[in-house]
Order: sequence, then structure tokens, then C-alpha cells
Amino acid sequence: DIQMTQSPSSLSASIGDRVTITCRASQGISNSLAWYQQKPGKAPNLLLSAASRFESGVPSRFSGSGSGTDYTLTISSLQPEDFATYYCQQYYSIPWTFGQGTKVEIK
Amino acid sequence: EMQLVESGGSLVQPGGSLRLSCAASGFAFKTYEMNWVRQAPGMGLEWVAYMTTSGTTIHYADSVKGRFTISRDNAKNLLYLQMNSLRAADTAVYYCARDRRAIDGAFDIWGQGTMVTVSS
Repeated sequence: DIQMTQSPSSLSASIGDRVTITCRASQGISNSLAWYQQKPGKAPNLLLSAASRFESGVPSRFSGSGSGTDYTLTISSLQPEDFATYYCQQYYSIPWTFGQGTKVEIK
Repeated sequence: EMQLVESGGSLVQPGGSLRLSCAASGFAFKTYEMNWVRQAPGMGLEWVAYMTTSGTTIHYADSVKGRFTISRDNAKNLLYLQMNSLRAADTAVYYCARDRRAIDGAFDIWGQGTMVTVSS
């Protein structure tokens, strides 16, 4: 199984801050990586796929990058609606696996 | 509007059974692979099961293999998860999620989730 390790597990940031979340796979996943945002009591929402491809309606302040085993989600200027938990997921091979999540909180 | 709506979650005793349903609308359900994903209270996301469009390929997480069965009725736009021999560790919100495998494999549509509680 491919293990996905996200860091940090939580962070505190202020409105307007630049935030970076990293996700490391235990083996290469050829950019087969998605990022999801989840707010309390809600289902996850797909933000990015193929490591850097935007979903329709996702604000341009979100961006993704990476290759091989190391991937990054960046929020260029944190907005109030961005406080949530973020998960990476590899869909390169079964079993599909998620990172443990990064909770972004208000400082 | 493309939508998935889960139902069937409830309180069940350890060792019991439950069948979850996921109703799809607003898209061609029969052309999409589907998944079940769960989330225990306060925890992260765990993939549970996957099924191809016609059901010819099915995969399960090791944690549920032999106890859970995924199935679908393409004529009724329904996805199912039959859960047997339930354990306390199966307590979670269960989501169905559309798999965009023809494009990349990300899960692009999720239901609102249905809560399963396994407790005596």
C-alpha cells in the first residue's frame, strides 16, 4: 500500500497569510494526486487533481505542485472561508489512500 | 445538478448488518466508477470500496474485506454497501463518491454522508 504523509497536521494562520501544506507518498505516484477541502459536518470537496489541475470554481489563490513522491498545496492569501481541513489522496494504485489531514485554523 | 444522496445509516449492535444506499442524479451514473469512503468521528478519510461501471472489477480495503459488499443497480442509479459482522471500529460517516477514472481518478462528487454507529 502507498502511505501518504501530510505535514503539518495542523497550523494556525492569519487572513492574508501564505500557507503551504505538503504531502509525501511512500513511492512515486506519477502526479496521481488530489487535494480535498473539508469543512466541519460537510463532505470533502475536490480542489485539485493531477497534482495541479484546478476544479471549476476553485479560487486561483489555491495552487498545487510536485512530482514523484512530493507534492504541495499552497494558498497564496488565506481567506476566512479557507479555514478547514485539507486532505491529499493518491489514486495511482489500489488501495486509494488519503493523508491524515491538515487542519488550518485561525491565529 | 449532479448529486449523490446516501441513506441507510443507523445504530446497530456489534455483529449486526446494515445496507447503505447511494442515489445518483444529474449525471450518467452507469458510466462512472464509484467508491465508498468513511470517516470515523474526529478522524481522517478512509477509502472502503470501489466498483467499476459494470461491476466486473471490485476492490475492498483490508479492514472490510470479507464483511462488506459493494454493488450497484445502473437501471435505478443506485450504489449499495452491504455491511455484515459490524464492529465498533466501523462506526463512521459513510460517503459515496464518484470516481472520475476516465479523466484522472479523483473523487469529484460526494454525497452528504450517512452515519453508522456500531454499539451495544
